[in-house]
Amino acid sequence: QLTQSPSFLSASVGDRVTIACRASQAINSYLAWYQQKPGKAPELLISIASTLRSGVPSRFSGSASGTEFTLTISSLQPEDFATYYCQQLYSFPLTFGGGTKVEIK
Amino acid sequence: EGQLVESGGGLVQPGGSLRLSCVASGFTFSSYWMYWVRQGPGKGLVCVSRIKNDGSPNYADSVKGRFTTSRDNAKNTLYLQMNSLGAEDTAVYYCARGESWSFDIWGQGTMVTVSS
Repeated sequence: QLTQSPSFLSASVGDRVTIACRASQAINSYLAWYQQKPGKAPELLISIASTLRSGVPSRFSGSASGTEFTLTISSLQPEDFATYYCQQLYSFPLTFGGGTKVEIK
Repeated sequence: EGQLVESGGGLVQPGGSLRLSCVASGFTFSSYWMYWVRQGPGKGLVCVSRIKNDGSPNYADSVKGRFTTSRDNAKNTLYLQMNSLGAEDTAVYYCARGESWSFDIWGQGTMVTVSS
């Protein structure tokens, strides 16, 4: 089980944004983060908790502390308004968090 | 960079069947574990099946016994056979490639609507 928070976030361009994802048991950092825009497929941002995918802007970062995981956007840009999901890949079924919708303040 | 293209979605009556396909290109399909993920209207993401490169499948409890995932490595194609469909199966279905503890390539999705 993954508990993602908050489920909704209102922020301004330039803000620092943090999204949390808590696993109910140890998942050995096998956690990924995705961005999804309306009507589109999700896109991978980060794998293994903190490895930024090639081509993803460096304002995105991921961190882990035990079963607590965090996605940080250091300076929110207009193209970052979307829904973000965490996913554990430690054991099948590979579950997703409930999502965090980031909207313009 | 690889690509995945799904097809086969549509409107089906409750209790009916549908087969989805996902054609892969731009990478060695046979080397990768592949997944089906669905997203109900306004809902989150749910991984419903996995198939390893040796062809062995796994299923979420919600579809076990009703859905069958298979692959044809010669045709670079992933399949999802869906039987005994109910309203709860209405969703966009995505195929995705598993790589380095993530889903790094996703298809565009195909919509399945179960309704009378």
